[in-house]
Amino acid sequence: GENVEQHPSTLSVQEGDSAVIKCTYSDSASNYFPWYKQELGKRPQLIIDIRSNVGEKKDQRIAVTLNKTAKHFSLHITETQPEDSAVYFCAASIGEYGNKLVFGAGTILRVKS
Amino acid sequence: ETGVTQSPTHLIKTRGQQVTLRCSSQSGHNTVSWYQQALGQGPQFIFQYYREEENGRGNFPPRFSGLQFPNYSSELNVNALELDDSALYLCASSLAGLAFTGELFFGEGSRLTVL
Repeated sequence: GENVEQHPSTLSVQEGDSAVIKCTYSDSASNYFPWYKQELGKRPQLIIDIRSNVGEKKDQRIAVTLNKTAKHFSLHITETQPEDSAVYFCAASIGEYGNKLVFGAGTILRVKS
Repeated sequence: ETGVTQSPTHLIKTRGQQVTLRCSSQSGHNTVSWYQQALGQGPQFIFQYYREEENGRGNFPPRFSGLQFPNYSSELNVNALELDDSALYLCASSLAGLAFTGELFFGEGSRLTVL
């Protein structure tokens, strides 16, 4: 079955710096790759996603890149702010339509002001 | 707010007991998925319900079972509770098949503690 590995497990950056989180997946049939942000005690919230027919997607300070050949995808956050501090999860879809997900173990991002 | 509601928000059970968790999906969503999130880990897919039938299952034993009702709401039942079942249980609703637009809408979760 699908396996998703996420690195690093913790990441500390200075406010204004960039943060990069990387994930690899094992199932070449996966075609949907979302990223979720989860604050303490809250539900996961989708921040950006990418489908397998696209190599890069950007939304303001957040971007995701996908390399299907190498089976890895990355989250890039530029100009980090203290409110970006949270746990970030990558995920890869299983099944035909993408609405079943296998999640990575998460990255704790701390933005120091 | 997503419109996905879960109950109860917190509960404490003892080993061997049974628990039922409930989820009301977002209006218009016909698919409900359940995830288990242990402390410090990512959510793990338990199963999905569509048209009142199980539509895919993760690596969870049969003592984890579910139901979906005609109004698309769902229940997660766990029998013979074990200490390792302590976790946040998340419900996520979505559209099915080709209508799936990309986002799973998560509820706030039910935090289960097994003593």
